[in-house]
Amino acid sequence: EIVLMQSPGTLSLSPGERATLSCRASQSVNGDYLAWYQQKPGRAPRLLFYGASIRATGIPDSFSGSGSGTDFTLTISRLEPEDSAVYYCQQYGSSPWTFGQGTKVEIK
Amino acid sequence: EVQLVESGGGWVQPGGSLRLSCAGSGFTFSNYWMSWVRQAPGKGLEWVANIERDGGGKYYVDSVKGRFTISRDNAKNSLHLQMSSLRADDTALYYCARVGQVGPQDVWGQGTTVTVSS
Repeated sequence: EIVLMQSPGTLSLSPGERATLSCRASQSVNGDYLAWYQQKPGRAPRLLFYGASIRATGIPDSFSGSGSGTDFTLTISRLEPEDSAVYYCQQYGSSPWTFGQGTKVEIK
Repeated sequence: EVQLVESGGGWVQPGGSLRLSCAGSGFTFSNYWMSWVRQAPGKGLEWVANIERDGGGKYYVDSVKGRFTISRDNAKNSLHLQMSSLRADDTALYYCARVGQVGPQDVWGQGTTVTVSS
């Protein structure tokens, strides 16, 4: 089973600042099949990226995904208040599919 | 509009059974793998099971193998999760999700809550 470790656990930043979220895998993710999701309280997760860097439909370009192998990054270039959420990475390259434990982004 | 709507959640005693359902609409249901993903109260996401387009292949997280069964009825655009020998740690919000053509879950329902408690 591939274990995904996300850091930091919580990120507290001001509007307009840049947020960098990390996702590290315990072994290489097949095909870089790594996704990022955003989840707001009381809501279902929303797909942001798949294939590590391919933006899902409707995701603004202030969000970017990068990385390969075992190290992946989600970057929000200019934080807005509505970006406050928990962000999860997920690998879907090998079974069982696994999620990281999440990074909470707080807007000051 | 592409939509998934779950039902069937509720309260059940440890050792009991429950059957969750998910109705898909707005897309060709039979063209997609489908997933169940759960989220325990205040916790993160956990993938539970996948089922291939024709129902021929089924995949489970180890913690539910032998207790949960995923199935689908493409004629009725429906997905199911039969859960038995339920334990307290199965308590969670259970999401139905569509697996996109290029990989992960791209459409999610709003979830149905399962509570296992005596």
